[in-house]
Amino acid sequence: GAVVSQHPSRVICKSGTSVKIECRSLDFQATTMFWYRQFPKQSLMLMATSNEGSKATYEQGVEKDKFLINHASLTLSTLTVTSAHPEDSSFYICSASMVGSSYEQYFGPGTRLTVT
Amino acid sequence: RKEVEQDPGPFNVPEGATVAFNCTYSNSASQSFFWYRQDCRKEPKLLMSVYSSGNEDGRFTAQLNRASQYISLLIRDSKLSDSATYLCVVNSYGGATNKLIFGTGTLLAVQP
Repeated sequence: GAVVSQHPSRVICKSGTSVKIECRSLDFQATTMFWYRQFPKQSLMLMATSNEGSKATYEQGVEKDKFLINHASLTLSTLTVTSAHPEDSSFYICSASMVGSSYEQYFGPGTRLTVT
Repeated sequence: RKEVEQDPGPFNVPEGATVAFNCTYSNSASQSFFWYRQDCRKEPKLLMSVYSSGNEDGRFTAQLNRASQYISLLIRDSKLSDSATYLCVVNSYGGATNKLIFGTGTLLAVQP
């Protein structure tokens, strides 16, 4: 149980285009989903926290207009990187927390974004 | 100062060796502590939670010292398959939502 999927697993796009990444909890309902970014040889950095049906809470330094997050249902959250630039190239990982769970997070397999 | 600090390594050890990783955290109000394992280009996976009384899972032993704000992970009888990055993770309460704060990780390479 507690499986989280992400799609796509890898994407290459041109500078200036937008990319949407989906995060789904497959066998449980997720009250909260988290979006992380990891640059090479660095740790995971939380970008934003999203609760179903409400606006996402962004961490300091993360542009909400550039990284659009939608959490329309208890099993799906999407992250859209708008007007992507090469510096947005990174490993994007989502996680989901179960309804009623205080802290445990289940991670998706990640999406590797390369902007050329 | 980073919220969670770890020695980045790498730790190069022979098979069968015992290796210990350390981690310190800055927020004394933190309540939950974890060790995650991350393989190259993969997502992190929970290895074990860390409790004040210390806990053991097979070859892995985790310890927490709240007074010193220090967490450790001991791996006995290292296997080749233990090679990975070990992430020290601390739970941070941010308003109504719990957040996980990740250390930069310690790279372990077990040599045959």
